[in-house]
Amino acid sequence: AQSVTQLGSHVSVSEGALVLLRCNYSSSVPPYLFWYVQYPNQGLQLLLKYTSAATLVKGINGFEAEFKKSETSFHLTKPSAHMSDAAEYFCAVTAGRGAGSYQLTFGKGTKLSVIP
Amino acid sequence: DGGITQSPKYLFRKEGQNVTLSCEQNLNHDAMYWYRQDPGQGLRLIYYSQIVNDFQKGDIAEGYSVSREKKESFPLTVTSAQKNPTAFYLCASSMGPTGLAYEQYFGPGTRLTVT
Repeated sequence: AQSVTQLGSHVSVSEGALVLLRCNYSSSVPPYLFWYVQYPNQGLQLLLKYTSAATLVKGINGFEAEFKKSETSFHLTKPSAHMSDAAEYFCAVTAGRGAGSYQLTFGKGTKLSVIP
Repeated sequence: DGGITQSPKYLFRKEGQNVTLSCEQNLNHDAMYWYRQDPGQGLRLIYYSQIVNDFQKGDIAEGYSVSREKKESFPLTVTSAQKNPTAFYLCASSMGPTGLAYEQYFGPGTRLTVT
């Protein structure tokens, strides 16, 4: 079984500062990992995904994440926060290819506030 | 444009009434999902379907029912047996077991309020 822990339900950063949202996972098989973003009263939009290729994954809107197996982490970063980045972010995990499971397990989310 | 549509965006019902939420996709995906979202709870899986005429209970299926008569459609009925139905409901789809991509694509959601 897989699980996801997102450290910090709320994170505040100043505009132009580094964004770091933390995600740790637990999986008994090689995982596939995802980050989604949700704006108020909207659905989730895929930011990026890790599927066992490059460990540093680049996504949309300038976000990237690095898969670190030794730390079981998949933290999301962006060098310079923009006001439009204010949203809720969800990390998700699934068992990797061949493991027979394709359902996603989601973390509880981290709400990002950007201070002007 | 390919995507997932959910209707209506906002839904209001009286306690004791059943209500059906619509979900349609034109992505040709085999798998479809229903999630419930409450503040601070993340997404919780209600039901999922891997293929037409087949569906499975998720983590919180009690008080809900679904059908999958067509590949494109996966409606969710919130019954009067659901103790706390007020929530934001999200529908999603993915290629499922026939594909190699695991990411799910989400609709815009339906906010249900029961009073």
